[in-house]
Amino acid sequence: DAKTTQPTSMDCAEGRAANLPCNHSTISGNEYVYWYRQIHSQGPQYIIHGLKNNETNEMASLIITEDRKSSTLILPHATLRDTAVYYCIVRAQGSNDYKLSFGAGTTVTVRA
Amino acid sequence: DADVTQTPRNRITKTGKRIMLECSQTKGHDRMYWYRQDPGLGLRLIYYSFDVKDINKGEISDGYSVSRQAQAKFSLSLESAIPNQTALYFCATSDWEGGYTFGSGTRLTVV
Repeated sequence: DAKTTQPTSMDCAEGRAANLPCNHSTISGNEYVYWYRQIHSQGPQYIIHGLKNNETNEMASLIITEDRKSSTLILPHATLRDTAVYYCIVRAQGSNDYKLSFGAGTTVTVRA
Repeated sequence: DADVTQTPRNRITKTGKRIMLECSQTKGHDRMYWYRQDPGLGLRLIYYSFDVKDINKGEISDGYSVSRQAQAKFSLSLESAIPNQTALYFCATSDWEGGYTFGSGTRLTVV
């Protein structure tokens, strides 16, 4: 799986949009970008994934650059419950690579 | 009901005791995993199973064993618990597309 680079931490004001960047310059053509988050001591939670088109679901939006070397996860209206560690992961669908590597992620703190 | 259920949620056990952590899923996925997480560290894979007849060691399998009783059930055993196995344990399942669903975790303390 391609490696990813994320900022260590970021703060966000409650009610504002949170934009979380991720660099994945070595991504391969068949690799998707996945985002997960882990709220303190809970199991990681899937947020969204995409290949090259922008994606949106009820939790977030994913913007992938045209060259696919970076992406941004957008939480449109951050709440205190969005405080968590956010992980950007790149991997191919159907991969037999069993290990989901989470890396260090970005610690997001939403402040009132 | 949760898609992935782990029992127990918390457990304190003594050194040398055998303990089993149980996991069941309602996602209908073939792939299941056991991870452990230590404070400030990422998830490390203990064992994984791609179907009922397929069991594989992960990166830190020593001291652990697993049993895949059915598609929906995957249990983790510590044969003889030791203090450095104190950790947060997560069970997960995944589909072909790579989306993982994790349980809420079992906090295990070995004293």
